[in-house]
Amino acid sequence: KQEVTQIPAALSVPEGENLVLNCSFTDSAIYNLQWFRQDPGKGLTSLLLIQSSQREQTSGRLNASLDKSSGRSTLYIAASQPGDSATYLCAVYSGGGADGLTFGKGTHLIIQP
Amino acid sequence: DGGITQSPKYLFRKEGQNVTLSCEQNLNHDAMYWYRQDPGQGLRLIYYSQIVNDFQKGDIAEGYSVSREKKESFPLTVTSAQKNPTAFYLCATIQGGRMNTEAFFGQGTRLTVV
Repeated sequence: KQEVTQIPAALSVPEGENLVLNCSFTDSAIYNLQWFRQDPGKGLTSLLLIQSSQREQTSGRLNASLDKSSGRSTLYIAASQPGDSATYLCAVYSGGGADGLTFGKGTHLIIQP
Repeated sequence: DGGITQSPKYLFRKEGQNVTLSCEQNLNHDAMYWYRQDPGQGLRLIYYSQIVNDFQKGDIAEGYSVSREKKESFPLTVTSAQKNPTAFYLCATIQGGRMNTEAFFGQGTRLTVV
C-alpha cells in the first residue's frame, strides 16, 4: 500500500529565506503528484500538479520537482513571506478507487516577520 | 462560480444523533470523495464514489453512510454508531484521466459533539 511521508513535520524560518519541503512515497507507480496548501480551519488549495512524465512545475515563487524513480518530490519556496505560513500537503495519485489519492501528513510552516 | 460547496461550515451533534454533511459540486466531475482530518493524523478516506448510484467504503467507513443519487451531490451522514465523530470533514472531487488527474476540495465542515 502506498505511503507518503513529509519531512519536516514543522518548520519555522525568518521572512525572506528560501526553503524546501520534502515528500517521499513508497510506490513509484504513480500517475501524478499534487501539492496543496491548507490554512487553519480551511480546505485544501491546489498549488501544483506534476504528472509522472514531468520533472518539475513552477508557479510564481513555488517550484515543485518530481523524481519518480526514487520516490521523492520537493516543494521549493523562494523569498518566503509571512503569508506563506500554512500547512503544506503532498498527495500522490496511483489510480482510481480507494488507492486513488494518498496524502502525507503535511509540513506546518511558519514564516517569522 | 465553479467549485465545491460544503455545508454547514460548523455543525454540532448531540450524543446519539445522526447528522448529515452536504457536499455539492458544479465542476461536472465524476469522482467524489469524503475525508476525515484529525490533528496529527492526516487525511483518512471515509467513502468515495466514481459514478452516480455507486459508492465504496474507504479506510474508516464504520459509523458513516453516503448516497450518490445525483452527479452533483454526495452527502455524508454521521450516524450514532460513530463513537468519535469530532473532526474536520473534507469533500473532494477528482477530474481527468489518469495522467492529468487533479483533486479539488471544498472548504470543510467542522463537526463537534456536544
